[in-house]
Amino acid sequence: DTGVSQNPRHKITKRGQNVTFRCDPISEHNRLYWYRQTLGQGPEFLTYFQNEAQLEKSRLLSDRFSAERPKGSFSTLEIQRTEQGDSAMYLCASSRSGTGYTGELFFGEGSRLTVL
Amino acid sequence: AQTVTQSQPEMSVQEAETVTLSCTYDTSESDYYLFWYKQPPSRQMILVIRQEAYKQQNATENRFSVNFQKAAKSFSLKISDSQLGDAAMYFCAYRSAHGNNRLAFGKGNQVVVIP
Repeated sequence: DTGVSQNPRHKITKRGQNVTFRCDPISEHNRLYWYRQTLGQGPEFLTYFQNEAQLEKSRLLSDRFSAERPKGSFSTLEIQRTEQGDSAMYLCASSRSGTGYTGELFFGEGSRLTVL
Repeated sequence: AQTVTQSQPEMSVQEAETVTLSCTYDTSESDYYLFWYKQPPSRQMILVIRQEAYKQQNATENRFSVNFQKAAKSFSLKISDSQLGDAAMYFCAYRSAHGNNRLAFGKGNQVVVIP
């Protein structure tokens, strides 16, 4: 069990540029989540995949944000035309599903985005 | 949508002493799960303790225990015999027993352990 891996860990970009983050979940986990965390706040849900299907998106996920999970393995989160308000920690988490599973999420270390 | 409230932004505790973190939540559901997660500085969030709403017995994990009051919608975390490694942000989280496993988090409590 290698845990949830996120890359890059830190990204500094200029306003208007596009950025992409990658998340590799725990291999046997079929559910994958993206959260955003700003300073002094708890994580806020962005979107959720079950296998390759994106089943839910938060209203926080504007048109500039897109997430994919091809083949139900790793996931990418792309932010187009970044704005300073996008500066945050982007957290990925994964979990199993099924009867008896109590819903613990396993988190990665996060990708910190700074938009100048 | 469920809301989770943590009202004490920072708590200080002497090493070896006990600290209690408060959490309240708002839900109309009867079947759900509650969690406390720990987030050390620059490190990943890890689960500290879990409580199923249908269980009356409070969960305990070593030095960590909870006081779950379902009617009051209260879920506090007690850290006993505090250690320097307990210094972190602690987040209370709620998950419905139905649906996609999405967690709703509070704003967190910063725990400072004084040697």
